[in-house]
Amino acid sequence: QVQLVESGGGVVQPGRSLRLSCAASGFTFRNYGMYWVRQAPGKGLEWVALISYDGSNYYYADSVKGRFTISRDNSKNTLFLQINSLRAEDTAVYYCARWVGPNNYYMDVWGKGTTVTVSS
Amino acid sequence: QTVVTQEPSFSVSPGGTVTLTCGLSSGSVSTNYYPSWYQQTPGQAPRTLIYSTNIRSSGVPDRFSGSILGNKAALTIAGAQADDESDYYCVLFMDSGPVVFGGGTKLTVL
Repeated sequence: QVQLVESGGGVVQPGRSLRLSCAASGFTFRNYGMYWVRQAPGKGLEWVALISYDGSNYYYADSVKGRFTISRDNSKNTLFLQINSLRAEDTAVYYCARWVGPNNYYMDVWGKGTTVTVSS
Repeated sequence: QTVVTQEPSFSVSPGGTVTLTCGLSSGSVSTNYYPSWYQQTPGQAPRTLIYSTNIRSSGVPDRFSGSILGNKAALTIAGAQADDESDYYCVLFMDSGPVVFGGGTKLTVL
């Protein structure tokens, strides 16, 4: 079945780096754009980064621009999020989500998330 | 900067009908924003309910419906059940780039 599984979260000290992964299965990964969406404790959902189906286009939320890098390996059906210079406010559950477009624009499949905690 | 507005909280009686809305800080929501709605219960990943204004995602009961009401997108839940108690997020597509999330509505069924 269609599935997204995130990994790579953990407890990290401020200023350190982390690389999150999202393994896709059950569909043709290279045909879809992908989002990273995060949720800080007790807060709402916030999109973090978007990458096009072929990796040629990407966008970042202002709050992470310059520190986060989204990428993908279509040969391995995997999405990545490199997080550098981690801050306390990056503490959140990070979800990857499949992006459906054009004609309809929405996120139709979500992973269960991986938790990042930034703490000294 | 575009801000998507949602009611912070709402309550509905079991069996009742509730309409949650999704607006813009400046301007009106239309079908051109392809509004979508997501349900999230505590500790769980979001679940897609509605996309492109009014199309139900696979497996979503027809108690959930989407529409445009006036200048806002709307999610209506008819015959509310206890397990509808969740957070509901509206998302709007911006043709200038990525989406914008609303702040979410916490729905209580009591």
